[in-house]
Amino acid sequence: AQRVTQPEKLLSVFKGAPVELKCNYSYSGSPELFWYVQYSRQRLQLLLRHISRESIKGFTADLNKGETSFHLKKPFAQEEDSAMYYCALTPGGYQKVTFGTGTKLQVIP
Amino acid sequence: EAGVTQFPSHSVIEKGQTVTLRCDPISGHDNLYWYRRVMGKEIKFLLHFVKESKQDESGMPNNRFLAERTGGTYSTLKVQPAELEDSGVYFCASSHASGNTIYFGEGSWLTVV
Repeated sequence: AQRVTQPEKLLSVFKGAPVELKCNYSYSGSPELFWYVQYSRQRLQLLLRHISRESIKGFTADLNKGETSFHLKKPFAQEEDSAMYYCALTPGGYQKVTFGTGTKLQVIP
Repeated sequence: EAGVTQFPSHSVIEKGQTVTLRCDPISGHDNLYWYRRVMGKEIKFLLHFVKESKQDESGMPNNRFLAERTGGTYSTLKVQPAELEDSGVYFCASSHASGNTIYFGEGSWLTVV
């Protein structure tokens, strides 16, 4: 069975500090990994996916198959980054998404 | 383009009553999904429609939940009779037939008292 683990419920950092939101997964095949974000009073939206190897809003995430991790990183946190972040996984080719429990990022001015 | 819309945004009902949640996917999206997040837990998959057919309903918790997508357009999720543990946020999402991006609605908050 597939599983996504986000160990931190809340992460508080000061503005300008580096951010790392942890995500580990378990899946027997080759999954696709995603990060979703939900800003206050907005809908859940895709932030980035591992296959794109892109940087969105300064965030990056590298898939480490050896450690089965997909941590989300940003070198300098901004106040507008405050939101709920969900790590997610799909088996690939099929859209059933398995989510982690989410991490609330709080950027302190 | 209009996003995924859900109705109602909030609903408070008594235990034993019935509630029907509606989802209008993005026009042209064949895939429609229902997810829910109960308090303190992760967002969990409920089921997946491809057009009007149920592709995967492995996440439906029990037979008090009934989802339909007649005509392959909008979908409804009915809870009958509602129980206290059904309280949470119910998300609908849609995607293109071959698309890799899922678009979520704002969610329907259900409170059973």
